[in-house]
Amino acid sequence: EVQLVESGGGLVKPGGSLRLSCAASGFPFSSYRMNWVRQAPGKGLEWVSSISTTSNYMYYADSVKGRFTISRDNAKNSLYLQMNSLRGDDAAVYYCARDDGSNWGLEYWGQGTLVTVSS
Amino acid sequence: DIQLTQSPSFLSASVGDRVTITCRASQGITSYLAWYQQKPGKAPKLLIYAASTLQSGVPSRFSGSGSGTEFTLTITSLQPEDFATYYCQQLNSYPRTFGQGTKVESK
Repeated sequence: EVQLVESGGGLVKPGGSLRLSCAASGFPFSSYRMNWVRQAPGKGLEWVSSISTTSNYMYYADSVKGRFTISRDNAKNSLYLQMNSLRGDDAAVYYCARDDGSNWGLEYWGQGTLVTVSS
Repeated sequence: DIQLTQSPSFLSASVGDRVTITCRASQGITSYLAWYQQKPGKAPKLLIYAASTLQSGVPSRFSGSGSGTEFTLTITSLQPEDFATYYCQQLNSYPRTFGQGTKVESK
């Protein structure tokens, strides 16, 4: 069974940093592109970042470029999102999601981890 | 960046109704479009990929169509468990944008 379990969310002050993790199991992690998607309270889905299977390619939304860094450790079956210079509009539930293998959709999602940015 | 515009943003419907949601892309995305269903407090669920292919386990009352810039999600006979918010997403290019969502509510 495919499982994606996010962790690392919490309360952080504006300007602070946080590192999210996503532990993957039930599939060959190194074979799939991975993504972070977020959802601010009461708002829609926002794609944040994607990383290729061997970390050769990383992509970011303009809203986080230069502040967030996506990474993965295929040996540990884990995906990460390092978030720096956090702002109030970064507050959201952050979901880890796995590609379907053919760039057609995000097939599996974690349960999400909540990031709150407040002084 | 490719913008996706869903219509309507809100939809009131009754059980048994036929429901259609439209997603328009600001430029052509061939068939790189997915549809998701999200219920409150839950992660999104992939319903349809490649514009018209039903994800495994999704009921056949859901269908997708379109290519290029105009796409539709149709629910042929709305069931109680279908009241949710629906999103389209384009995977043709980065950033992989989502539509703003369509909330399907009970009339």
